[in-house]
Amino acid sequence: KNEVEQSPQNLTAQEGEFITINCSYSVGISALHWLQQHPGGGIVSLFMLSSGKKKHGRLIATINIQEKHSSLHITASHPRDSAVYICAALQTSGSRLTFGEGTQLTVNP
Amino acid sequence: DVKVTQSSRYLVKRTGEKVFLECVQDMDHENMFWYRQDPGLGLRLIYFSYDVKMKEKGDIPEGYSVSREKKERFSLILESASTNQTSMYLCASSSFRGYTFGSGTRLTVV
Repeated sequence: KNEVEQSPQNLTAQEGEFITINCSYSVGISALHWLQQHPGGGIVSLFMLSSGKKKHGRLIATINIQEKHSSLHITASHPRDSAVYICAALQTSGSRLTFGEGTQLTVNP
Repeated sequence: DVKVTQSSRYLVKRTGEKVFLECVQDMDHENMFWYRQDPGLGLRLIYFSYDVKMKEKGDIPEGYSVSREKKERFSLILESASTNQTSMYLCASSSFRGYTFGSGTRLTVV
């Protein structure tokens, strides 16, 4: 069992839909990152959170420390949101990230 | 705009060549990392560094070495490139504020 698991692996949505990507982890963490990777490879850090909720534009990230679970929500999805979304846990034991396998999101017009 | 810069976006090298992948950050971050990303395997840590001249092996260090002579620069070295090192290579740096990733180098070894 991976220490960080994401679901779903693939997600196809219609423009305008509300999207949720889930991340569960089994290790102790000091923070959890949500990353976005577009075709071509570069990774952008969307959020780093250790409790509660953060919002940036149409993106919302939440984390429940007791349940070891985080979600990334996208409201009013748009084709430009199509990308791979990766959650990564920063373990309490150091500076290393443990990555989920990623969720491929495709938003159709 | 703070960033992590990888010297090459695409690289094609021959088997047996010595390959250098360069990464530079302008954020004065202590920590720097090299990952490779392969389909179905996700991101895997090759090496990381907590400080100048310090290096630690990650999960898949075999066939690689690193160099960190200056705080802002972290180099990944493939001593003798092999076809199974064809991959996307990503550099990152971090502080307590979070991680910043480079744009990646897609290396093909032929």
